[in-house]
Amino acid sequence: RKEVEQDPGPFNVPEGATVAFNCTYSNSASQSFFWYRQDCRKEPKLLMSVYSSGNEDGRFTAQLNRASQYISLLIRDSKLSDSATYLCVVNSGGSARQLTFGSGTQLTVLP
Amino acid sequence: NAGVTQTPKFQVLKTGQSMTLQCAQDMNHNSMYWYRQDPGMGLRLIYYSASEGTTDKGEVPNGYNVSRLNKREFSLRLESAAPSQTSVYFCASSPGHSGNTIYFGEGSWLTVV
Repeated sequence: RKEVEQDPGPFNVPEGATVAFNCTYSNSASQSFFWYRQDCRKEPKLLMSVYSSGNEDGRFTAQLNRASQYISLLIRDSKLSDSATYLCVVNSGGSARQLTFGSGTQLTVLP
Repeated sequence: NAGVTQTPKFQVLKTGQSMTLQCAQDMNHNSMYWYRQDPGMGLRLIYYSASEGTTDKGEVPNGYNVSRLNKREFSLRLESAAPSQTSVYFCASSPGHSGNTIYFGEGSWLTVV
């Protein structure tokens, strides 16, 4: 079983749609959680951290369920510019060398 | 803002050839990392350097060596390239050991034939 698992997609949604991605992790001792965005042939960039209480940044909402060991990302009112691969990232310890990256979920927003 | 700069961006090697990927960051970060990204897999850590003068193996170190030349630069060397090392390589840096903020370079596409 992979340490961090994501549905690879692709998710093809029309502009304006709401789309949700889930990610599960296997290490119950994991301490911090993130969503990164990676555009085609580009480097990953931090989209948002995920907090136990849930957090929102504009059209993006991230939630963490520690009991079930999953993380979610909700994108409302999808834009063409949201087309990218979204990486779920879990830190099993306290240092960046303990980051585990999911393989990503590909999103295409269609006009 | 340059951030993390890595070279070359593209390289084709023949099996058995050697090469070095260069990486430099201008953010005065202590920690630096080399990852590889393969289709269907998450980024995997090859080597990291918590501070100048120290390096440690990550998840997939075999076939690679690294040098933390100074605080700014962290190079990755393939001594005898193999087709299994065909991948996209990302250098990254972070201010400290915390995993909360990590910045990536633009990537190096390496093909070994």
